[in-house]
Amino acid sequence: NAGVTQTPKFRVLKTGQSMTLLCAQDMNHEYMYWYRQDPGMGLRLIHYSVGEGTTAKGEVPDGYNVSRLKKQNFLLGLESAAPSQTSVYFCASKPSGKDTQYFGPGTRLTVL
Amino acid sequence: SQQGEEDPQALSIQEGENATMNCSYKTSINNLQWYRQNSGRGLVHLILIRSNEREKHSGRLRVTLDTSKKSSSLLITASRAADTASYFCATERETSGSRLTFGEGTQLTVNP
Repeated sequence: NAGVTQTPKFRVLKTGQSMTLLCAQDMNHEYMYWYRQDPGMGLRLIHYSVGEGTTAKGEVPDGYNVSRLKKQNFLLGLESAAPSQTSVYFCASKPSGKDTQYFGPGTRLTVL
Repeated sequence: SQQGEEDPQALSIQEGENATMNCSYKTSINNLQWYRQNSGRGLVHLILIRSNEREKHSGRLRVTLDTSKKSSSLLITASRAADTASYFCATERETSGSRLTFGEGTQLTVNP
């Protein structure tokens, strides 16, 4: 199993550009999460999903949208990137009824 | 807002010594988890302790939980250079469902 994978690994955007980050998991997990990590800070939850076709807002959802059309994929979209969205983005998943989250390797995004 | 606060922010020790990291939180929890992050990588789950437990062990790891003080500690015994990483506590609040709130982390450096 590949576990949780994220695409791309690195990306540089200009202010106002849009992009989509892809998270894929091959563990048949129901729950999926998107976090951002900024220097000196822990992870903050952006959006999450408790199952295919469902999404919900986390702690810092503004400026982001998500979709979970397939159980194995969770997409994070930035419609109009801002420098404040420069961060490392992590995706995680977990099975229903369990507590441990499994993390992807991260995507480093820079917005100029 | 961050649920967890960790101290110290940074810890530097020699191989063979023990490392202790502390985490405090604010609201009632279902469980508290510790994760490890190597530089430039995703987080890896280490150990989970439930709100009705006081102590758990896993290999060289020992975690304690004091719900009256809303605090937890992670002890790594006989540390190795390979233990060098950032360590994060994460709490699942009683009211948050399956979401985790992360602390800001402790950067542990184990010198050979």
